[in-house]
Amino acid sequence: GEDVEQSLFLSVREGDSSVINCTYTDSSSTYLYWYKQEPGAGLQLLTYIFSNMDMKQDQRLTVLLNKKDKHLSLRIADTQTGDSAIYFCAETSHYNTDKLIFGTGTRLQVFP
Amino acid sequence: DVKVTQSSRYLVKRTGEKVFLECVQDMDHENMFWYRQDPGLGLRLIYFSYDVKMKEKGDIPEGYSVSREKKERFSLILESASTNQTSMYLCASSSRTGGTQYFGPGTRLTVL
Repeated sequence: GEDVEQSLFLSVREGDSSVINCTYTDSSSTYLYWYKQEPGAGLQLLTYIFSNMDMKQDQRLTVLLNKKDKHLSLRIADTQTGDSAIYFCAETSHYNTDKLIFGTGTRLQVFP
Repeated sequence: DVKVTQSSRYLVKRTGEKVFLECVQDMDHENMFWYRQDPGLGLRLIYFSYDVKMKEKGDIPEGYSVSREKKERFSLILESASTNQTSMYLCASSSRTGGTQYFGPGTRLTVL
């Protein structure tokens, strides 16, 4: 079946880079997404990558896609305390492209 | 900017009560979704809708129903609330072509 996996926690020091990893099962996914959820809030779209791309950069965010290994990563450069949140990886469903399959989320904690 | 609003941020209900959670989007999106979010389980899809008066079961529809009488509004109904329905409920919408979903702020429901 369709599955998206992420590690549950990541802790980094302020100013360092953070790398959040995700593996997915459906090689036919059209888009892959990263969402951010701050405490007590809904999910905010951070960025997405089309499946025929290897990399996408947007200011401090870099998304890398390794289709062979079905691995997606989100790198946050110069991590700030405001980046502390839960980060969700998601892929479009093979069976219904209107649906997204979400990972369990990675809680990023940034300490001074 | 896409705006998705949910009727309540926090809700406390008693076991057996009928509960209505409402969601409104202002971007004329065809697709609307209801998820629940629980720690360690990520987002699980309850129901979604492609159009007015249309609905499809998601992964965990048991104990829930939905209503979509107008394009902009999607309601989630708990016919008889139970304690295991205590959770964070998130609504989302997307355009007919699918892909990017935009989320509301969430409703944290506690059933006593």
